[in-house]
This record gives sequence, C-alpha cells and structure tokens, in this order.
Amino acid sequence: SAVISQKPSRDICQRGTSLTIQCQVDSQVTMMFWYRQQPGQSLTLIATANQGSEATYESGFVIDKFPISRPNLTFSTLTVSNMSPEDSSIYLCSGFGNTEAFFGQGTRLTVV
Amino acid sequence: AQTVTQSQPEMSVQEAETVTLSCTYDTSESDYYLFWYKQPPSRQMILVIRQEAYKQQNATENRFSVNFQKAAKSFSLKISDSQLGDAAMYFCAYSPPGAQKLVFGQGTRLTINP
Repeated sequence: SAVISQKPSRDICQRGTSLTIQCQVDSQVTMMFWYRQQPGQSLTLIATANQGSEATYESGFVIDKFPISRPNLTFSTLTVSNMSPEDSSIYLCSGFGNTEAFFGQGTRLTVV
Repeated sequence: AQTVTQSQPEMSVQEAETVTLSCTYDTSESDYYLFWYKQPPSRQMILVIRQEAYKQQNATENRFSVNFQKAAKSFSLKISDSQLGDAAMYFCAYSPPGAQKLVFGQGTRLTINP
C-alpha cells in the first residue's frame, strides 16, 4: 500500500498558538482523512479533505479550529488553532488505497 | 449511524497460546468492509486483516484469522501462536464501500506474557 510521511512526529506548544501538521503521500489519493486520538482513546474522524473543495467536518469539529488544506492529490495539512491543553492528542492522517486505509506515523501534540 | 463496539478493554495471553478479540458493529448497509488494525507504542497503525462483507469465507492472514458473522454483526479476531511482537492496541474498524473513512471501536490492549 501507499506510504504517508507525516510531520512533525511530536511537538510541545504553548496555549493560544497554532500548529500545522503536514502529510505527504507517495501516490495520488482521492480523499484524505484526519483523525484525532486522545490519550488512551480510540481514533475519531475530524474531517475529510478533498482536492479543490472545502473539507467536510464531522460533528463537533469546525473549520475555524481545524482548518485543512488539500492543494493536490498527494498532500494535505491540518492546523490546530488557538490551542488549549484539551487539544493534547495524537493526530493522524490517512488515505485509502484499493481496499484498505493507510496511515501516517502520527503527530503527538502536547499543549502546555 | 454506524457504530463499532469492542467490549474487552484489555486482554492478556501466554506466549504461543491463542487469543480471540471481540468486535460487534451496527449498520443498516449490506455491503461494507471490516478491518482489524494494530497500533504498537510507535503509534503507527498497521493493517492486520480485512474482510469484505459480501464474502462468506472468513479472511486469514498467517497466524491471524477472523470469525465473521454477518447476521449477528460480529467480527472477532483470532491470533494463534501469540508472539511477543503481537503486543499492541488492536482496533476493529468499519467502512462502507466508497466512503473510505473508518469508524473505529474503542480498542483492546493485548499483552503477551512470556
């Protein structure tokens, strides 16, 4: 399956600041997905990123807090804006190949 | 809305033994995909096994096999000859065809005892 390079792998940020996470795929994918994994929890879908259109957000997630870019079929970014300690989580990007999802390595974000 | 339930937060097994992880799901769709993903401490999500709902035959990948009961909406994972490297969080996930996004269960933390 395809490979996603996700950066940064971890970061410690001050509250009130923003962090942008990048994902680069080694092949073209129609849709990319961003998930949040809070400490000790499962993965929750934040939004679906499509090229050329605004991302589709799941209930409880808004564009002002998690703006997403998808400039082409191999790249996407997620920004976590105006961070608070509650945003401390692992963030993962994902694409879908022929029959299964593949994931980036995850970004462990700690907000202090 | 589709939901996925893993009722075992933690499981442990002796090395070389067999363990079964449970998963149930709820959907009104007739065609969909089911997955088991493994997440070791490295955080990388690794596909363990995949099952297409239209296939009656249970999927098998080496030491990993599933028991797929479509009518009961059950999708359990059996790990045979458990190895220390199998220790990880295991997530059951559902995806309707074409949607590509996944709905995950709560996860089961598997410990392998040497």
